Amino acid sequence: EPEVTQTPSHQVTQMGQEVILRCVPISNHLYFYWYRQILGQKVEFLVSFYNNEISEKSEIFDDQFSVERPDGSNFTLKIRSTKLEDSAMYFCASSGPDGGEKLFFGSGTQLSVL
Amino acid sequence: GDSVTQMEGPVTLSEEAFLTINCTYTATGYPSLFWYVQYPGEGLQLLLKATKADDKGSNKGFEATYRKETTSFHLEKGSVQVSDSAVYFCALSPNQAGTALIFGKGTTLSVSS
Repeated sequence: EPEVTQTPSHQVTQMGQEVILRCVPISNHLYFYWYRQILGQKVEFLVSFYNNEISEKSEIFDDQFSVERPDGSNFTLKIRSTKLEDSAMYFCASSGPDGGEKLFFGSGTQLSVL
Repeated sequence: GDSVTQMEGPVTLSEEAFLTINCTYTATGYPSLFWYVQYPGEGLQLLLKATKADDKGSNKGFEATYRKETTSFHLEKGSVQVSDSAVYFCALSPNQAGTALIFGKGTTLSVSS
């Protein structure tokens, strides 16, 4: 079965550094998402991306965050200047032409900001 | 805004026990409801869904019924197995293409033999 791939599985960074989290969505999917889960808290929506632009974003997704689809396969989340509170599990997801009805998730990137 | 509330975990059961994980929601309009499962080291996977009131979603022995009158979507299984040990997430979709899913906190289930 096709799957969403995320790299790396773990990322450790110093506060203030830039990080890029990478995702390869399922190849024929059209909608792409980033979610995050801080330990012990809800899975929170960050951003959705369709037709090469952001279609929806949450209050969490401030100017420190950006997303990009640099080529036909990758979908990246960049955090410009990491803060301690950015430590979380970040999940990438994609869905097909039906949109949000069924999301396929990657296994996540655990980001630790020290 | 729309939200999902799940029972706090962890839930610890013996094999073959009956499972209920409670989920209630708040939403405007007519959302679709989902249960996702996350096995250790893996991503979230869709377990089952229901798109309208009184629909019952089912998969792998798990069931959940969309109850509009109680705004609930409780997950049940009659006889759990060790392999069911995972984190279970209730979620809703406001039913617009590309609109974000709204998740609950997740409930950890641990089943022992």
